[in-house]
Amino acid sequence: DAKTTQPNSMESNEEEPVHLPCNHSTISGTDYIHWYRQLPSQGPEYVIHGLTSNVNNRMASLAIAEDRKSSTLILHRATLRDAAVYYCILSNFGNEKLTFGTGTRLTIIP
Amino acid sequence: GAVVSQHPSRVICKSGTSVKIECRSLDFQATTMFWYRQFPKQSLMLMATSNEGSKATYEQGVEKDKFLINHASLTLSTLTVTSAHPEDSSFYICSVAGGLAKNIQYFGAGTRLSVL
Repeated sequence: DAKTTQPNSMESNEEEPVHLPCNHSTISGTDYIHWYRQLPSQGPEYVIHGLTSNVNNRMASLAIAEDRKSSTLILHRATLRDAAVYYCILSNFGNEKLTFGTGTRLTIIP
Repeated sequence: GAVVSQHPSRVICKSGTSVKIECRSLDFQATTMFWYRQFPKQSLMLMATSNEGSKATYEQGVEKDKFLINHASLTLSTLTVTSAHPEDSSFYICSVAGGLAKNIQYFGAGTRLSVL
């Protein structure tokens, strides 16, 4: 499986945008970029995914570099409820397995 | 997204006993379910992939005779930890995949198992 690299931790102020980076330099042409987050003592929650184009949904936006070797999850206005571990995962279409790395622990400062 | 119910949310048992954890897909038929384990301050580790009506596929290093998985219907998979020991204490999480968004997984809230 192609690997991803994320910062171990990040902090952001409440009500400000948050940009969570992810590097995936060995991504293949059929790998989707997925983002999940895990709140304390909860199961992970799907956030967003994309292939080549930028994606928006009600939770976040996903900006994918033109060469697809990196991506950024954007939370437009962070709230305290966004404090979680965010996982960037590559998943090949047709292979439903997800391999979780260590993710980025996001702390929101009131 | 799909709604996944996992039960119980927390269980404490004595060493040597068996514990069953249920994972239910409440609003769609899940052809594939996954079971993960998460130790404190670590990431999720996939234990096995469960396909409805067939035997589960276990990841390397996971004992299939110790972690029994049954996926008898499209809405229910169970994980039984047999002869549990303190080292089996962990956070067990299930997920479902399937439907139109085949490569998206929806997770249960997890079961915290403590073996005394």
